[in-house]
Amino acid sequence: AQSVSQHNHHVILSEAASLELGCNYSYGGTVNLFWYVQYPGQHLQLLLKYFSGDPLVKGIKGFEAEFIKSKFSFNLRKPSVQWSDTAEYFCAVRLNSGNTPLVFGKGTRLSVIA
Amino acid sequence: GAVVSQHPSRVICKSGTSVKIECRSLDFQATTMFWYRQFPKKSLMLMATSNEGSKATYEQGVEKDKFLINHASLTLSTLTVTSAHPEDSSFYICSARDSGPEGKNTEAFFGQGTRLTVV
Repeated sequence: AQSVSQHNHHVILSEAASLELGCNYSYGGTVNLFWYVQYPGQHLQLLLKYFSGDPLVKGIKGFEAEFIKSKFSFNLRKPSVQWSDTAEYFCAVRLNSGNTPLVFGKGTRLSVIA
Repeated sequence: GAVVSQHPSRVICKSGTSVKIECRSLDFQATTMFWYRQFPKKSLMLMATSNEGSKATYEQGVEKDKFLINHASLTLSTLTVTSAHPEDSSFYICSARDSGPEGKNTEAFFGQGTRLTVV
């Protein structure tokens, strides 16, 4: 079965520090990859997505992610975090066939301190 | 962008009663919607896939008689938690993707979620 692993449960960074959140998935076929963010008390919002093409994907709010097919990874990065980036981040994978659901990782809580 | 509206956002009910949660796609049609449950400090777990005009498909371990799903139109799916118990207290989230040709390479959109508390 498909699974998504997010290695960091809770990450604490100071403002302006660089961020990298790991995401690995287990599926050998063609997949669509997503990163969602959930700010406290709010619903899930899409940060970025990868369907095909350039494996380096730029998203909103300065986030980017790189799809490395050989490593089954889709790590999220941001060069300089802000206090407002404090949130829960979810990596998700969907099989690129039909109307299939997303499979989510367990999430990584990011706390940015001033 | 596409919007999915979920209602209510919060509900408190007594044990033994039933609660209905609605999920609407506001500006697109969705032949399929998904219902997730999010436990505290845990990820979203898929409960079921709601199919317009046919029976929902439930994930292993999800009681279909307890979590009734109805997808009567291309823009509305409902989840009814029947005979609710305190252990059903959770955050329920629906998701939908545009079924039309415009939606082929789009992400899924999520509702705001429903915080259910059973007392």
